[in-house]
Amino acid sequence: ETGVTQSPTHLIKTRGQQVTLRCSSQSGHNTVSWYQQALGQGPQFIFQYYREEENGRGNFPPRFSGLQFPNYSSELNVNALELDDSALYLCASSPNGGRAEKLFFGSGTQLSVL
Amino acid sequence: QKEVEQNSGPLSVPEGAIASLNCTYSDRVSQSFFWYRQYSGKSPELIMSIYSNGDKEDGRFTAQLNKASQYVSLLIRDSQPSDSATYLCAVIQTGNQFYFGTGTSLTVIP
Repeated sequence: ETGVTQSPTHLIKTRGQQVTLRCSSQSGHNTVSWYQQALGQGPQFIFQYYREEENGRGNFPPRFSGLQFPNYSSELNVNALELDDSALYLCASSPNGGRAEKLFFGSGTQLSVL
Repeated sequence: QKEVEQNSGPLSVPEGAIASLNCTYSDRVSQSFFWYRQYSGKSPELIMSIYSNGDKEDGRFTAQLNKASQYVSLLIRDSQPSDSATYLCAVIQTGNQFYFGTGTSLTVIP
């Protein structure tokens, strides 16, 4: 177990709805990043947060947004859900002050968009 | 061209054999390389990191890095059925971002 917790574990939404996923980082870790993993694919980087600011973003549209809170926990928000957003969403924390380094993943949120 | 490429497999080896997993990457300035193991329905788990050319050993696992060839590999000695999983190669490339390969599915046959 990494100490990174995500909620909820599973979620079913319909196209056009909005969703919020939550993540608590491992104790002592100040950097949180989010990944989308479609079935049979590797995780794809969405964005990273350090000191409550986004400090890196992958090739995802603006309807994917996030927050980091003073306790380093984080949220991922997705607006106007599309069928292709169905995937496992992984949160990862790391202790390295905003630099990409070893990632410790939570157990993920499985999102299904119908 | 994908940033990180792996053979998707499946790769099957008998118990006790050596499993060899390979990965190539596109960004020549990459400095940090990782192997993650992902069991079906679970999240990725870090098993090895390597930063310098050559070999790095940790128990039954050996990571090999060749920056000139932009090639990373993972050897698993004395493979066990519990090693059956998908192995993800990850590289930190320009922009302080992790790029993952699609993973290689390994099955160890008892």
